[in-house]
Amino acid sequence: EAGVTQFPSHSVIEKGQTVTLRCDPISGHDNLYWYRRVMGKEIKFLLHFVKESKQDESGMPNNRFLAERTGGTYSTLKVQPAELEDSGVYFCASSQDMKAKNIQYFGAGTRLSVL
Amino acid sequence: AQTVTQSQPEMSVQEAETVTLSCTYDTSESDYYLFWYKQPPSRQMILVIRQEAYKQQNATENRFSVNFQKAAKSFSLKISDSQLGDAAMYFCAYRLNAGGTSYGKLTFGQGTILTVHP
Repeated sequence: EAGVTQFPSHSVIEKGQTVTLRCDPISGHDNLYWYRRVMGKEIKFLLHFVKESKQDESGMPNNRFLAERTGGTYSTLKVQPAELEDSGVYFCASSQDMKAKNIQYFGAGTRLSVL
Repeated sequence: AQTVTQSQPEMSVQEAETVTLSCTYDTSESDYYLFWYKQPPSRQMILVIRQEAYKQQNATENRFSVNFQKAAKSFSLKISDSQLGDAAMYFCAYRLNAGGTSYGKLTFGQGTILTVHP
């Protein structure tokens, strides 16, 4: 069974440009989460999809970030325009349901460098 | 708001020895889960062990065990018989076990880099 996959693994862009990150969850997982780790700090929650609906987007930093999950399958996270402080590692995770005991399976992350 | 603190940015251990990673958390809730995740370099983060707050017995998974002190809000991870493959970044995480729109998310600590020396 394929795990959570994220594309690209690394992206280097200039300030003001647009970047789109993609996450393919484990097949059959309705729940998809985005997290971000800024250098040296803790991993922070961004948002949570249940199928195609945003269940919780309380962690989204500002309106330069747009997440979508069309059809309840893969998800994209677009940053437009990118700022220096957006640099970090963006993680995606998926789980079968929302029960707290259940495991969230993580991807390897996308390292975003904004120059 | 819940917070998780890992006070050890880096730890090291000799192969075959035992090491303990510390984690403390702050919450006003009583029903929650705690997790330790491991992220090897450039690889996916994987679950090491989890603990339900209502269970008094400490969780164990082979060489990995936790010391869960609910009153002290402490959740340390003990790795016995350390192996080279244990070298990774370890994250402690909290997840509320209740209804509401925000209980799906994990709250993480800052991480501890574990180095294993042969």
